[in-house]
Amino acid sequence: DAGVIQSPRHEVTEMGQEVTLRCKPISGHNSLFWYRQTMMRGLELLIYFNNNVPIDDSGMPEDRFSAKMPNASFSTLKIQPSEPRDSAVYFCASSLPGRVRGYTFGSGTRLTVV
Amino acid sequence: GESVGLHLPTLSVQEGDNSIINCAYSNSASDYFIWYKQESGKGPQFIIDIRSNMDKRQGQRVTVLLNKTVKHLSLQIAATQPGDSAVYFCAENIGGGSYIPTFGRGTSLIVHP
Repeated sequence: DAGVIQSPRHEVTEMGQEVTLRCKPISGHNSLFWYRQTMMRGLELLIYFNNNVPIDDSGMPEDRFSAKMPNASFSTLKIQPSEPRDSAVYFCASSLPGRVRGYTFGSGTRLTVV
Repeated sequence: GESVGLHLPTLSVQEGDNSIINCAYSNSASDYFIWYKQESGKGPQFIIDIRSNMDKRQGQRVTVLLNKTVKHLSLQIAATQPGDSAVYFCAENIGGGSYIPTFGRGTSLIVHP
């Protein structure tokens, strides 16, 4: 298995632009998680899905952030409009439901908003 | 590595030494603990885990110790190698039907050849 695949690896965009981050979970993993990692806040859980359904989005910072999971093999995290304070590394992780041990992270997308 | 290391506790050791990375957790209801390793440009990777009904677990060159009395977790790495240089996170699972780990801030380990 190729693991959790995220794209792009790096994204540089101007303030106000829309940014879309993509994630392909491990095949068979029914739970998907989006995290943001910054110096100040560490690793924060933004939202997670079980069986393509959003379960808890309380970590999403504000309405500019949205996430979708149209099918079991694909999820997006969108920021519109982007702001410089959104600059961070965004990770996607997947796991089998009820299996913390199998939690697997992707390599992340480093977002820079200028 | 990722710039998160600039504001993290840092442990510097010489190659071949043993390393001990400590972590305090806050929730006495946590029933499962995991250590992750994050190398530069990568996501966190699972190293070793321990359930709350255990106080020690050993893997290959790594040992995790759990002290529930003081809510403390440690990761011991034997014969540390330059490839062990990374940021190490402890994570706790609060249980009660939740299977989402809560991550600590991390410790940066620097191994000098």
